[in-house]
Amino acid sequence: ETGVTQTPRHLVMGMTNKKSLKCEQHLGHNAMYWYKQSAKKPLELMFVYNFKEQTENNSVPSRFSPECPNSSHLFLHLHTLQPEDSALYLCASSFTTSITAETQYFGPGTRLLVL
Amino acid sequence: AQKVTQAQTEISVVEKEDVTLDCVYETRDTTYYLFWYKQPPSGELVFLIRRNSFDEQNEISGRYSWNFQKSTSSFNFTITASQVVDSAVYFCALSGYGSGNTGKLIFGQGTTLQVKP
Repeated sequence: ETGVTQTPRHLVMGMTNKKSLKCEQHLGHNAMYWYKQSAKKPLELMFVYNFKEQTENNSVPSRFSPECPNSSHLFLHLHTLQPEDSALYLCASSFTTSITAETQYFGPGTRLLVL
Repeated sequence: AQKVTQAQTEISVVEKEDVTLDCVYETRDTTYYLFWYKQPPSGELVFLIRRNSFDEQNEISGRYSWNFQKSTSSFNFTITASQVVDSAVYFCALSGYGSGNTGKLIFGQGTTLQVKP
């Protein structure tokens, strides 16, 4: 599946900058996810949206602010980040979050470097 | 608590060798789902398989096969006749089931597979 796109693919930002990551899915799904992948750490779920409603916030610092205007688009707004926030940020989508675990399809990720 | 362990950090094989990637999970749920994903150097996680806990049949898809053993809480992945294009990081993941399910996937640490020509 290549139905999930992310922009930008690479981003370098200073600690005082504000930037946004964008994710778009073309699969007709209703649930979208943000994951963080740091070096030598498992993928960590950050946020889950189902039908535009946030259903999970995995204790993410407030310097990360998600936005889901519709089921096809998901944003992650970044401000005053720290160097330890440098990571690969992956977006995923699934048909929905439901009783049965739907398969999540991932985008290519945004590789973020915070200086 | 749910947990996934992939004890093999890195595996290196020569092309055409068979290789098995181990995955051991922990969960108190009686119903759950297991997944395998492949992450090539490009970064995108590619879905390989989804299996629910009631289906213990082994599955084969081309050169890929999966061995699900509930008794040992393992869901191992074997690549037969490996190829250079199989070089990637492979992740095993676990998800719950039920009305409280938020779609959260618990990932293992990943196994880096290098297939040398």
